[in-house]
Amino acid sequence: GAVVSQHPSRVICKSGTSVKIECRSLDFQATTMFWYRQFPKKSLMLMATSNEGSKATYEQGVEKDKFLINHASLTLSTLTVTSAHPEDSSFYICSAREQLAGEGNTQYFGPGTRLTVL
Amino acid sequence: GIQVEQSPPDLILQEGANSTLRCNFSDSVNNLQWFHQNPWGQLINLFYIPSGTKQNGRLSATTVATERYSLLYISSSQTTDSGVYFCAVLASGGSYIPTFGRGTSLIVHP
Repeated sequence: GAVVSQHPSRVICKSGTSVKIECRSLDFQATTMFWYRQFPKKSLMLMATSNEGSKATYEQGVEKDKFLINHASLTLSTLTVTSAHPEDSSFYICSAREQLAGEGNTQYFGPGTRLTVL
Repeated sequence: GIQVEQSPPDLILQEGANSTLRCNFSDSVNNLQWFHQNPWGQLINLFYIPSGTKQNGRLSATTVATERYSLLYISSSQTTDSGVYFCAVLASGGSYIPTFGRGTSLIVHP
C-alpha cells in the first residue's frame, strides 16, 4: 500500500520556539493532505486541509497564524507550530489522500509526531 | 454534518476470542475506511469499504450502505490486535474531508 512518512517522530522543545513537522507521500502524489491533532484517548481532530499550491483550509478554532501549513509539492506538506507553548503538546498526525481507480479516495496516515513543549 | 458512532467504546478480550465492532453513520457515504491505531500511535489502513464485504486474513468488514452501518470482524484475536479501531467516512455530495468516529479501544490479553 501507499506509504506516508512523517518527521520527526518525536520532538521536545522549549516554550516560545517553533517546530516544523514534515509529511511526505513516498510512492504516490497527494494533491490533498490533512493535518490532525490527537489528545490522549481521544479521536483525531482535523486541524486543516492542505492542497498543493494553494492556501490551507483551517477548521474552526484552529489558529492559522500559529499552525502554519505549506504544501509546496505533490509529495510534501509541512506544519510549523510557531511560538509553541505547553498546551500545544500533543500527537500530530498527517494523512495523504490517494485517488485510486475503483477505490475512491483512500487516506493513508503518517506515523505521527509527538510534540512536547516544556 | 454527518455523525459517526462507534460501538462498543471499549472492549477487553482473551486471546483467541472473536469480536465485532460497529460503525453507524447518519447519512449516505461514498467512502468508508477502517483503521487500526497501534499502541505507538501509528494508524494503519485496514479496509476501504463503502459497501459490500472484504476479508484480509483474520479481519473482515461488511458495510450495508442502505442501512448506514459497517461492521469489522476480528477472529481469533491476538495481543497484537490491541489498540484503537477507527471508522472514517466521506459523506456523499462531493466532500473530501473525512469524519472519524470516536473509536473502539481493544485490549487483548494473553
